[in-house]
Amino acid sequence: EADIYQTPRYLVIGTGKKITLECSQTMGHDKMYWYQQDPGMELHLIHYSYGVNSTEKGDLSSESTVSRIRTEHFPLTLESARPSHTSQYLCASSRSTGLFADTQYFGPGTRLTVL
Amino acid sequence: DAKTTQPPSMDCAEGRAANLPCNHSTISGNEYVYWYRQIHSQGPQYIIHGLKNNETNEMASLIITEDRKSSTLILPHATLRDTAVYYCIVRVRAAGNKLTFGGGTRVLVKP
Repeated sequence: EADIYQTPRYLVIGTGKKITLECSQTMGHDKMYWYQQDPGMELHLIHYSYGVNSTEKGDLSSESTVSRIRTEHFPLTLESARPSHTSQYLCASSRSTGLFADTQYFGPGTRLTVL
Repeated sequence: DAKTTQPPSMDCAEGRAANLPCNHSTISGNEYVYWYRQIHSQGPQYIIHGLKNNETNEMASLIITEDRKSSTLILPHATLRDTAVYYCIVRVRAAGNKLTFGGGTRVLVKP
């Protein structure tokens, strides 16, 4: 099992609230990722980081922001939640392996519902 | 990343081997074959990956054809907890290293 954790697992919140989804890994991985997934649909990359103080936007436009102050921690923040943000948010991490694709390990996910 | 083709669903009897095929006819020389699975409402779980040799770990075996245009994931003794959607991905190092999951194969293990 991979050592990557997400909290909370479930969150129901009202429109306009600020929320932070936590993601931590204890594997010393340099790369971390946030994906968004609706039920039965494919994953969409929304943010990634190559290391401390590195953050990039992914393929899917997102109103969320991320930070990477510590290697092990990659929180995602929504300043003002809206019902359109209702989804499952999945955090992943990997270790750079040089030329070829890294193996990504996923956390259990946070299921967010915005009322 | 090369496109993959998988059957949309398959059933398997508990205790029997499950053989999951994947076609990746446009795979290039530096692309690895990766398998992940996603159990309902959980994050994807890494299973195994390989380049051209067959691979085995505690979860599964991966058989890659000599021309690398297809592969088979083998779950040697399927259990009810193996019921999940299984994704075959081929990928190289790319910007952000994002994972792109296709439709996958929905595997139902029956008692």
